[in-house]
Amino acid sequence: NAGVTQTPKFQVLKTGQSMTLQCAQDMNHEYMSWYRQDPGMGLRLIHYSVGAGITDQGEVPNGYNVSRSTTEDFPLRLLSAAPSQTSVYFCASSRRGADIRTEAFFGQGTRLTVV
Amino acid sequence: AQTVTQSQPEMSVQEAETVTLSCTYDTSENNYYLFWYKQPPSRQMILVIRQEAYKQQNATENRFSVNFQKAAKSFSLKISDSQLGDTAMYFCALRAAGNKLTFGGGTRVLVKP
Repeated sequence: NAGVTQTPKFQVLKTGQSMTLQCAQDMNHEYMSWYRQDPGMGLRLIHYSVGAGITDQGEVPNGYNVSRSTTEDFPLRLLSAAPSQTSVYFCASSRRGADIRTEAFFGQGTRLTVV
Repeated sequence: AQTVTQSQPEMSVQEAETVTLSCTYDTSENNYYLFWYKQPPSRQMILVIRQEAYKQQNATENRFSVNFQKAAKSFSLKISDSQLGDTAMYFCALRAAGNKLTFGGGTRVLVKP
Protein backbone atom coordinates (compact mmCIF):
# COMPACT_ATOMS: atom_id res chain seq x y z
CA ASN A 1 0.00 0.00 0.00
CA ALA A 2 1.46 3.33 -1.07
CA GLY A 3 -0.86 5.45 1.12
CA VAL A 4 0.14 9.12 0.90
CA THR A 5 3.20 9.90 -1.22
CA GLN A 6 4.98 13.23 -0.96
CA THR A 7 7.80 14.43 -3.15
CA PRO A 8 10.46 15.64 -2.77
CA LYS A 9 11.69 14.64 0.70
CA PHE A 10 14.21 17.49 0.85
CA GLN A 11 14.49 20.76 -1.04
CA VAL A 12 16.61 23.89 -0.86
CA LEU A 13 15.30 27.03 -2.55
CA LYS A 14 16.63 30.49 -3.03
CA THR A 15 14.49 33.42 -1.93
CA GLY A 16 12.06 34.32 -4.68
CA GLN A 17 12.09 30.94 -6.39
CA SER A 18 8.88 29.00 -6.90
CA MET A 19 8.23 25.30 -6.55
CA THR A 20 5.50 22.74 -6.17
CA LEU A 21 5.34 20.08 -3.48
CA GLN A 22 3.57 17.02 -4.79
CA CYS A 23 1.10 14.91 -2.84
CA ALA A 24 -0.75 11.84 -4.07
CA GLN A 25 -2.92 9.30 -2.27
CA ASP A 26 -4.32 6.00 -3.48
CA MET A 27 -7.01 5.44 -0.82
CA ASN A 28 -9.79 7.35 -2.62
CA HIS A 29 -9.97 9.81 0.28
CA GLU A 30 -12.08 12.89 -0.25
CA TYR A 31 -10.36 15.06 2.34
CA MET A 32 -6.77 16.21 1.81
CA SER A 33 -4.75 18.85 3.61
CA TRP A 34 -1.36 20.46 3.87
CA TYR A 35 0.37 21.28 7.15
CA ARG A 36 3.62 22.93 8.07
CA GLN A 37 5.54 21.87 11.15
CA ASP A 38 7.69 24.35 13.03
CA PRO A 39 9.43 23.80 16.39
CA GLY A 40 7.12 24.40 19.34
CA MET A 41 4.13 25.14 17.12
CA GLY A 42 3.01 21.68 16.17
CA LEU A 43 1.40 21.23 12.78
CA ARG A 44 -0.51 24.18 11.38
CA LEU A 45 -3.05 23.85 8.59
CA ILE A 46 -2.16 25.68 5.36
CA HIS A 47 -4.89 24.63 2.92
CA TYR A 48 -7.36 21.81 2.67
CA SER A 49 -9.74 20.23 0.19
CA VAL A 50 -12.96 18.30 0.77
CA GLY A 51 -13.06 16.93 -2.76
CA ALA A 52 -11.99 17.45 -6.36
CA GLY A 53 -12.47 21.05 -7.42
CA ILE A 54 -12.94 22.36 -3.86
CA THR A 55 -10.21 23.99 -1.79
CA ASP A 56 -10.17 26.31 1.20
CA GLN A 57 -7.72 28.16 3.38
CA GLY A 58 -6.48 26.95 6.70
CA GLU A 59 -4.70 28.77 9.49
CA VAL A 60 -1.57 29.93 7.61
CA PRO A 61 -2.40 30.18 3.88
CA ASN A 62 -0.37 33.24 2.86
CA GLY A 63 2.31 32.53 0.26
CA TYR A 64 0.83 29.18 -0.77
CA ASN A 65 -1.58 28.05 -3.47
CA VAL A 66 -3.32 24.73 -3.97
CA SER A 67 -5.54 23.07 -6.52
CA ARG A 68 -7.44 19.79 -6.58
CA SER A 69 -8.17 18.63 -10.10
CA THR A 70 -8.39 14.94 -9.18
CA THR A 71 -9.27 12.99 -6.05
CA GLU A 72 -5.74 11.57 -5.90
CA ASP A 73 -3.55 14.67 -6.19
CA PHE A 74 -3.24 17.81 -4.08
CA PRO A 75 -0.13 19.85 -4.97
CA LEU A 76 1.07 22.79 -2.87
CA ARG A 77 2.69 25.71 -4.69
CA LEU A 78 5.07 28.23 -3.25
CA LEU A 79 4.86 31.23 -5.57
CA SER A 80 7.86 33.22 -4.32
CA ALA A 81 9.74 31.44 -1.56
CA ALA A 82 10.71 33.37 1.57
CA PRO A 83 12.97 32.32 4.47
CA SER A 84 9.88 32.29 6.72
CA GLN A 85 8.65 29.32 4.68
CA THR A 86 11.55 27.18 5.86
CA SER A 87 9.71 24.30 7.51
CA VAL A 88 8.72 20.67 7.28
CA TYR A 89 5.59 20.18 5.19
CA PHE A 90 3.13 17.33 5.55
CA CYS A 91 0.32 16.24 3.32
CA ALA A 92 -2.51 14.25 4.89
CA SER A 93 -5.65 12.54 3.66
CA SER A 94 -8.72 11.03 5.27
CA ARG A 95 -12.27 9.99 4.53
CA ARG A 96 -14.64 12.90 4.66
CA GLY A 97 -18.04 13.11 6.17
CA ALA A 98 -19.81 12.81 9.46
CA ASP A 99 -17.49 10.05 10.59
CA ILE A 100 -14.97 12.29 12.31
CA ARG A 101 -13.30 9.31 13.96
CA THR A 102 -11.62 8.69 10.67
CA GLU A 103 -7.87 8.52 10.93
CA ALA A 104 -5.71 10.96 8.98
CA PHE A 105 -2.90 9.37 6.98
CA PHE A 106 0.25 11.39 6.50
CA GLY A 107 2.99 11.52 3.92
CA GLN A 108 6.65 11.30 4.92
CA GLY A 109 7.08 15.05 4.94
CA THR A 110 9.21 17.48 2.93
CA ARG A 111 11.97 19.41 4.62
CA LEU A 112 12.18 22.74 2.82
CA THR A 113 14.95 25.27 3.38
CA VAL A 114 14.76 28.73 1.84
CA VAL A 115 18.07 30.60 1.77
CA ALA B 1 -12.16 28.13 16.49
CA GLN B 2 -10.64 25.12 18.18
CA THR B 3 -7.34 25.09 20.03
CA VAL B 4 -5.08 22.42 21.48
CA THR B 5 -2.38 23.12 24.06
CA GLN B 6 0.47 20.90 25.21
CA SER B 7 2.26 22.53 28.13
CA GLN B 8 5.26 20.18 28.35
CA PRO B 9 7.85 20.78 25.62
CA GLU B 10 10.06 17.89 26.76
CA MET B 11 9.89 14.94 29.12
CA SER B 12 12.31 12.18 29.92
CA VAL B 13 11.59 8.80 31.48
CA GLN B 14 13.59 5.75 32.42
CA GLU B 15 13.01 2.58 30.45
CA ALA B 16 10.16 0.50 31.97
CA GLU B 17 8.78 3.51 33.87
CA THR B 18 5.55 5.41 33.23
CA VAL B 19 5.21 8.89 31.77
CA THR B 20 2.11 11.07 31.38
CA LEU B 21 1.75 13.76 28.73
CA SER B 22 -0.72 16.60 29.23
CA CYS B 23 -3.10 18.08 26.69
CA THR B 24 -5.89 20.61 27.04
CA TYR B 25 -8.22 21.73 24.32
CA ASP B 26 -11.05 24.06 23.55
CA THR B 27 -13.92 23.67 21.11
CA SER B 28 -17.51 24.82 20.90
CA GLU B 29 -18.59 21.54 19.29
CA ASN B 30 -20.35 18.79 21.21
CA ASN B 31 -19.22 15.99 18.93
CA TYR B 32 -15.50 15.65 18.41
CA TYR B 33 -12.63 13.20 18.48
CA LEU B 34 -9.28 13.51 20.19
CA PHE B 35 -6.11 11.84 18.96
CA TRP B 36 -2.55 11.27 20.02
CA TYR B 37 0.01 10.98 17.23
CA LYS B 38 3.60 9.84 17.57
CA GLN B 39 6.37 11.22 15.38
CA PRO B 40 9.65 9.29 15.65
CA PRO B 41 12.90 10.65 14.15
CA SER B 42 11.83 9.22 10.79
CA ARG B 43 9.23 12.06 10.70
CA GLN B 44 6.40 9.63 10.01
CA MET B 45 3.15 10.55 11.81
CA ILE B 46 1.69 7.48 13.53
CA LEU B 47 -1.70 7.32 15.20
CA VAL B 48 -1.32 6.10 18.78
CA ILE B 49 -4.83 6.32 20.19
CA ARG B 50 -8.17 8.08 19.69
CA GLN B 51 -11.07 9.01 21.96
CA GLU B 52 -14.65 9.97 21.12
CA ALA B 53 -16.05 12.85 23.14
CA TYR B 54 -19.32 11.02 23.80
CA LYS B 55 -17.61 8.03 25.37
CA GLN B 56 -16.83 8.28 29.07
CA GLN B 57 -14.66 5.20 29.06
CA ASN B 58 -11.01 6.02 28.53
CA ALA B 59 -9.41 4.49 25.45
CA THR B 60 -6.55 2.01 25.80
CA GLU B 61 -4.15 0.60 23.21
CA ASN B 62 -1.65 -1.83 24.72
CA ARG B 63 0.78 0.28 26.81
CA PHE B 64 -0.93 3.55 25.87
CA SER B 65 -3.97 4.88 27.69
CA VAL B 66 -5.71 8.20 28.02
CA ASN B 67 -7.35 10.10 30.83
CA PHE B 68 -10.21 12.01 29.22
CA GLN B 69 -11.79 14.66 31.44
CA LYS B 70 -14.46 16.25 29.28
CA ALA B 71 -15.58 18.93 31.73
CA ALA B 72 -12.00 20.06 32.23
CA LYS B 73 -11.26 19.70 28.49
CA SER B 74 -8.24 17.61 29.32
CA PHE B 75 -6.87 14.63 27.40
CA SER B 76 -3.65 13.20 28.83
CA LEU B 77 -1.68 10.26 27.47
CA LYS B 78 -0.04 7.70 29.72
CA ILE B 79 2.76 5.52 28.39
CA SER B 80 3.35 2.52 30.64
CA ASP B 81 6.44 0.31 30.66
CA SER B 82 8.28 2.81 28.46
CA GLN B 83 10.49 1.37 25.75
CA LEU B 84 13.38 2.92 23.86
CA GLY B 85 11.24 2.87 20.73
CA ASP B 86 8.80 5.24 22.42
CA THR B 87 11.33 8.07 22.04
CA ALA B 88 9.54 10.53 19.76
CA MET B 89 7.51 13.72 19.51
CA TYR B 90 3.92 13.26 20.62
CA PHE B 91 1.13 15.45 19.32
CA CYS B 92 -2.34 15.84 20.72
CA ALA B 93 -4.97 16.66 18.08
CA LEU B 94 -8.68 17.42 17.87
CA ARG B 95 -11.16 16.91 15.04
CA ALA B 96 -14.67 18.31 15.09
CA ALA B 97 -17.18 19.16 12.42
CA GLY B 98 -15.59 20.12 9.12
CA ASN B 99 -12.92 17.44 9.46
CA LYS B 100 -10.15 19.90 10.24
CA LEU B 101 -7.50 18.39 12.49
CA THR B 102 -5.97 20.86 14.96
CA PHE B 103 -2.68 19.99 16.66
CA GLY B 104 -0.96 20.99 19.85
CA GLY B 105 2.66 22.14 19.90
CA GLY B 106 4.00 18.69 20.74
CA THR B 107 5.91 17.07 23.59
CA ARG B 108 9.30 15.49 23.00
CA VAL B 109 9.68 12.25 24.97
CA LEU B 110 13.10 10.76 25.61
CA VAL B 111 13.26 7.24 27.02
CA LYS B 112 16.56 6.61 28.78
CA PRO B 113 18.09 3.15 29.13
